[in-house]
Amino acid sequence: DVVMTQSPLSLPVTLGQPASISCRSSQSLVSSDGNTYLNWFQQRPGQSPRRLIYRVSNRDSGAPDRFSGSGSGTDFTLKISRVEAEDAGVYYCVQVTQWPYTFGQGTKLEI
Amino acid sequence: EVQLVESGGGLVKPGGSLRLSCAASGLTLTNAWMTWVRQAPGMGLECVGRIKSKSAGGTMDYAAPVKGRFTISRDDSKNTMYLQMNGLKIEDTAVYYCYAGGLGSWGQGTLVTVSS
Repeated sequence: DVVMTQSPLSLPVTLGQPASISCRSSQSLVSSDGNTYLNWFQQRPGQSPRRLIYRVSNRDSGAPDRFSGSGSGTDFTLKISRVEAEDAGVYYCVQVTQWPYTFGQGTKLEI
Repeated sequence: EVQLVESGGGLVKPGGSLRLSCAASGLTLTNAWMTWVRQAPGMGLECVGRIKSKSAGGTMDYAAPVKGRFTISRDDSKNTMYLQMNGLKIEDTAVYYCYAGGLGSWGQGTLVTVSS
């Protein structure tokens, strides 16, 4: 199975400041079709997860444009340009290139 | 707007069975790759199983911890996906979500508690 490793696991941030979360996979996430299936999810307390970014850098409709994703191969990053209060929660990366899909441990964003 | 609504969770004894449902609206399940994801209390997310779209063969895959005990199926007439869980173990206690990968849509989850 592909192991996904996130860092940091806890991220204290100040309102209005940028934040960055790293996600590394144990093997390349480039699929045989040439796409890289790495997604980012946000989970606010008591809520279902919500997808923010799909295929590394594509923002979902409804996801604020302060969220951006980048990376390639085995190294990926989620960035928040200016943190807002509503961004508090846990962020997960997940690879859906190969089965079983695997999630990172989660990064708790604390404001 | 896509809506996924899970149901069927509850309290069950070890070794027991439950069937979860995921009813979809705004989305035709036969055209979607659907995944069951679970989250144990205070823990992270874990994929349990998936069913491919009909055009991709409609086959199912399972994660190792549930293989041989859990079965995913789909009723196209009801636009509903199911997760049949047999031989439940205490470590299966979790909120179970259905997830439509292509659209990134999640249900609200249903809690399964396995306890004697």
